[in-house]
Amino acid sequence: ETGVTQSPTHLIKTRGQQVTLRCSSQSGHNTVSWYQQALGQGPQFIFQYYREEENGRGNFPPRFSGLQFPNYSSELNVNALELDDSALYLCASRPGLATDTQYFGPGTRLTVL
Amino acid sequence: GENVEQHPSTLSVQEGDSAVIKCTYSDSASNYFPWYKQELGKRPQLIIDIRSNVGEKKDQRIAVTLNKTAKHFSLHITETQPEDSAVYFCAASTRGSAGGTSYGKLTFGQGTILTVHP
Repeated sequence: ETGVTQSPTHLIKTRGQQVTLRCSSQSGHNTVSWYQQALGQGPQFIFQYYREEENGRGNFPPRFSGLQFPNYSSELNVNALELDDSALYLCASRPGLATDTQYFGPGTRLTVL
Repeated sequence: GENVEQHPSTLSVQEGDSAVIKCTYSDSASNYFPWYKQELGKRPQLIIDIRSNVGEKKDQRIAVTLNKTAKHFSLHITETQPEDSAVYFCAASTRGSAGGTSYGKLTFGQGTILTVHP
């Protein structure tokens, strides 16, 4: 059984650009959540995907969007990057909506210059 | 929405001592409380969790207690070791109803930097 993986590991972008981050959920997990972790802070919920549909959203603007594919992998897209978007982006997967335990990937470190 | 406060922000102990980290939450509907350990540059790792129908849970040197009335929960680490040094996060989650609500969303505390001195 493989764990949650994310790519790329690190990314540097400039303000105004767009970025796509990728997440492969743990085998058998159909629910993926994305979190943003600013330096020195706890992770903040961005949104959650279940069976290819957005199932819930945190307090993030519409320029943060996502996708989930039939194999339950997921993408996080951020448009019009701002300096404050610099953070560690984590995805977490779990077997279904009714389960509580979430397993995190290693994250993508995004730096916006 | 849910708000989780975590204290202290830093904690320094000697090897072999106990460490206690406390969290309070605001939403009485929260019913799942995990604790994550995050080492520098690594993913958050679940170390223990507790559900609202239980008051205490223990796993070797780690224990968590929950007081639903006061809306607070605590992590207890006994016989600390240098490898326990990391950032610890508490979180709270509310299981919503079927039909699109965001259940399973974790609201995290601000984190506690634990340093265990040999």
